Amino acid sequence: GAVVSQHPSRVICKSGTSVKIECRSLDFQATTMFWYRQFPKQSLMLMATSNEGSKATYEQGVEKDKFLINHASLTLSTLTVTSAHPEDSSFYICSATSLAGETQYFGPGTRLLVL
Amino acid sequence: AQSVTQLDSHVSVSEGTPVLLRCNYSSSYSPSLFWYVQHPNKGLQLLLKYTSAATLVKGINGFEAEFKKSETSFHLTKPSAHMSDAAEYFCVVSEALYNFNKFYFGSGTKLNVKP
Repeated sequence: GAVVSQHPSRVICKSGTSVKIECRSLDFQATTMFWYRQFPKQSLMLMATSNEGSKATYEQGVEKDKFLINHASLTLSTLTVTSAHPEDSSFYICSATSLAGETQYFGPGTRLLVL
Repeated sequence: AQSVTQLDSHVSVSEGTPVLLRCNYSSSYSPSLFWYVQHPNKGLQLLLKYTSAATLVKGINGFEAEFKKSETSFHLTKPSAHMSDAAEYFCVVSEALYNFNKFYFGSGTKLNVKP
């Protein structure tokens, strides 16, 4: 099946710093990538959808200036958490789908801890 | 609008006994439905999907689900639970947008398998 990787798997940073998370589709071209956030013992919440070469579409309540998303190629999307604060600590998961694909393939997730 | 209700937040079964994880959906048209499994600190893995073909869908690891339009249900079953099945399970309904499918996640069901 399709493989999606994320890097790093875990990151600890100080409050006020920025953190970049990478999401890569390893064996297919991902025309659309999604970023989710999962709080402990909760379901996934969609943060934004990004199509290759265009601006991301953010869900209501998600600050686009705080969560910068770049989808510069068909295999890579990045999420940058700017000026991170402890409340940004969470499990961030990306997924990817090919053109008109119905199935999303998920990365293993990145656990962010902001001190 | 699309939505998913997973009726049980926790299900506990003994090893070797049947598993039933319940899911009801709401959709304004014929939906695509998915079941994903998430093991601790791991990414989501696709178990199976329904996309308007056969109503009984067989997935990996012996799981299957039946789409019942009259009941708006898509329950996940397995005849005999294995210890390795202990995980969190998410039911998902997708909405087709202009060039991708947006996922709506249920709240998840944590499956515990007792020896």
